Amino acid sequence: GENVEQHPSTLSVQEGDSAVIKCTYSDSASNYFPWYKQELGKGPQLIIDIRSNVGEKKDQRIAVTLNKTAKHFSLHITETQPEDSAVYFCAASIARDDKIIFGKGTRLHILP
Amino acid sequence: DTGVSQDPRHKITKRGQNVTFRCDPISEHNRLYWYRQTLGQGPEFLTYFQNEAQLEKSRLLSDRFSAERPKGSFSTLEIQRTEQGDSAMYLCASSSPGQNYNEQFFGPGTRLTVL
Repeated sequence: GENVEQHPSTLSVQEGDSAVIKCTYSDSASNYFPWYKQELGKGPQLIIDIRSNVGEKKDQRIAVTLNKTAKHFSLHITETQPEDSAVYFCAASIARDDKIIFGKGTRLHILP
Repeated sequence: DTGVSQDPRHKITKRGQNVTFRCDPISEHNRLYWYRQTLGQGPEFLTYFQNEAQLEKSRLLSDRFSAERPKGSFSTLEIQRTEQGDSAMYLCASSSPGQNYNEQFFGPGTRLTVL
């Protein structure tokens, strides 16, 4: 089955700097790659996603890239702010109705 | 509030007791998913419904676990004879039939503590 690896497990960046989180997946049939943000005591919140027919997608300060050949995808957050502090999960899904397979998460700390 | 809701938000129980959680999906979402999340890990898939039909169950879902969605709207997840290893956050998600891709929206979760 699908396996999603995520790095790093913890990331600290100075406010205003950029943060990058990287993931790999194992099943070449995966075609949907969402990113979730989870704050303490809350459920995961979908922040951005990318589909297999697209190499890059941007939404304000957040961008995701996908390299299907290498089975890599990444989340980039620019101009980080204190409210970006949270745990971020990458994930992959094979079919429209299928379960989502999550990475283990990256705890992002934005330092003042 | 039109998001996914879950009840209760927290549940503390003694080992061996039965517990039941409820999930109300976003209105008109026909797909409903249950996940389990332990500390420091990502959510892990448990089971999935399309309308009232349970279409897939993970091997994580032992015979002590049962999920239902009798009318294709809300769902319940029951754990019988709870064990300490069942302590986790139980998350529910839903998705829309009109989507081309698997956008799932999560509820706030039910945190279970088994003493």
